[in-house]
Amino acid sequence: EAGVAQSPRYKIIEKRQSVAFWCNPISGHATLYWYQQILGQGPKLLIQFQNNGVVDDSQLPKDRFSAERLKGVDSTLKIQPAKLEDSAVYLCASSLGGIRTDTQYFGPGTRLTVL
Amino acid sequence: AQRVTQPEKLLSVFKGAPVELKCNYSYSGSPELFWYVQYSRQRLQLLLRHISRESIKGFTADLNKGETSFHLKKPFAQEEDSAMYYCALLAAGNTPLVFGKGTRLSVIA
Repeated sequence: EAGVAQSPRYKIIEKRQSVAFWCNPISGHATLYWYQQILGQGPKLLIQFQNNGVVDDSQLPKDRFSAERLKGVDSTLKIQPAKLEDSAVYLCASSLGGIRTDTQYFGPGTRLTVL
Repeated sequence: AQRVTQPEKLLSVFKGAPVELKCNYSYSGSPELFWYVQYSRQRLQLLLRHISRESIKGFTADLNKGETSFHLKKPFAQEEDSAMYYCALLAAGNTPLVFGKGTRLSVIA
């Protein structure tokens, strides 16, 4: 089966600019996650969707980050405006259903550099 | 809040030597624990979970609630085991998966 797809793979922007990332989960997967992984750290959940509804966005910096999952399939994560500390790899993951322990399948990530 | 600690950033072992990647957690309840692995230029993927009590690629991990640990072990390391390993914890309730900072395992031929 095709894996989780993400684009772009790399992005370099200047601070205060905007950026958007796209994720296409594995077909049929109801749950979609966005993680932020700063260099030297493990992934940290930003937001979790179940179909097109938000399950958990408690760690999403809502003053600058937004995410949507229209039609319960693809998702976009936006940062506006970006700060230097947003430099990180943004990982998208998906899992089959609503069971918390379902295996999460990760995409290749988008590496963001904010100058 | 839950916390996962992986005390070693880098672990180097010789091929054929035993490997133990340490993971300690902070959580008062009964956690679900996982090991994820990321090989060079590959995606992060699940290696094993404690509830399955299985051996994957020769690796095992036992949950020790008394020591709040979930160390990953393999009796004989192989070069292809070189990768970044992350321990992760899932607490009860509607809480996210919490990852440690990871340990880079380097197996030297």
